[in-house]
Amino acid sequence: KQEVTQIPAALSVPEGENLVLNCSFTDSAIYNLQWFRQDPGKGLTSLLLIQSSQREQTSGRLNASLDKSSGRSTLYIAASQPGDSATYLCAVRRGGADGLTFGKGTHLIIQP
Amino acid sequence: KAGVTQTPRYLIKTRGQQVTLSCSPISGHRSVSWYQQTPGQGLQFLFEYFSETQRNKGNFPGRFSGRQFSNSRSEMNVSTLELGDSALYLCASSLTGNNEQYFGPGTRLTVT
Repeated sequence: KQEVTQIPAALSVPEGENLVLNCSFTDSAIYNLQWFRQDPGKGLTSLLLIQSSQREQTSGRLNASLDKSSGRSTLYIAASQPGDSATYLCAVRRGGADGLTFGKGTHLIIQP
Repeated sequence: KAGVTQTPRYLIKTRGQQVTLSCSPISGHRSVSWYQQTPGQGLQFLFEYFSETQRNKGNFPGRFSGRQFSNSRSEMNVSTLELGDSALYLCASSLTGNNEQYFGPGTRLTVT
């Protein structure tokens, strides 16, 4: 059974810092991996999707990497801003028709 | 392009009742997935529909069911509600199911 772990569970940093969020998964046979952010009481916003054949994806100040063999992904946020405060979720899909398996998330607070 | 919409946004039901939640995917998307989010268990996959067929199902009791219509809109039904069914129910749409998932704002269900 696939398990996804996110470390740290919570993080508070001053504005402007670069930071890294970690995601690990137990079964390396994944189809793709997706990073989301969730604001309190809201739905999920897709940030980046990495296919199993890719090593990284970039969107603006966000960069996500994937090391499938070691079962790890990182989300790098450059020059953090207070608006980046949210819970960040990592999710993996094992096969084409499988549902996503989510980690418990990293609760991020960017201090102004 | 309009995003994923879910109705109703909030719902209060009594134990033993049944409830139906609705999800309208992004135009052109044929896959709809449903997830339950609770503070204790996090996000868990319920089921996925593609072209009116259920392709995959998570580990939930038979009280949870769903269907998809020819216009790709989907409904989820929970019968004989229990207190533990209180959760945020999220639906996600994608082109074919294994692509990037786009989530709706969710339906907050409270069972009393």
